[in-house]
Amino acid sequence: DSGVTQTPKHLITATGQRVTLRCSPRSGDLSVYWYQQSLDQGLQFLIQYYNGEERAKGNILERFSAQQFPDLHSELNLSSLELGDSALYFCASSAGTSPSKETQYFGPGTRLLVL
Amino acid sequence: QKEVEQDPGPLSVPEGAIVSLNCTYSNSAFQYFMWYRQYSRKGPELLMYTYSSGNKEDGRFTAQVDKSSKYISLFIRDSQPSDSATYLCAMSSGGSQGNLIFGKGTKLSVKP
Repeated sequence: DSGVTQTPKHLITATGQRVTLRCSPRSGDLSVYWYQQSLDQGLQFLIQYYNGEERAKGNILERFSAQQFPDLHSELNLSSLELGDSALYFCASSAGTSPSKETQYFGPGTRLLVL
Repeated sequence: QKEVEQDPGPLSVPEGAIVSLNCTYSNSAFQYFMWYRQYSRKGPELLMYTYSSGNKEDGRFTAQVDKSSKYISLFIRDSQPSDSATYLCAMSSGGSQGNLIFGKGTKLSVKP
């Protein structure tokens, strides 16, 4: 168990809908990362938050947004869902952003299926 | 050319074999190199973490980084059926861009 929790484990929804994925980092970790994993693209970095502020952005669509709250949990919002958004969404956390603290620990993921 | 290339396999070996997994990369700014293990329907689990070039050993696992060749390897000695999983290499340039760039993963099966 990595100490990172994600809810829900599974999500089935329809095209055009909006969903929210939730992540709680390991105790004491300030950085949260979101990744998308699909069969054809592999694990793709979406976005990073550090202590409530956006730190880095990857291949995140404009229909997607995220935030990190004062208690350090994070939410990833996916809107106007398309079939191609079906994937595993992982959250990872790390202690900070200095090199010695950048080991990322992954949660169990949320499996999203868009029908 | 993709930033990180990894042979997807699948790779099948008998129990007890030495397994060699490899990744190549193109970005010379990468300084942090990791190997993750991912079991089916689970999140990636950190196996090895290496900074810059060199070797690192942890039990049956050895990670090697050759920055001059932009090539990293993971060796698994005395492989066990419980090692059957997908192995993902990941790397980062660190600093303010701490996000990881992953290879697509190599699926390994260790047969009893």
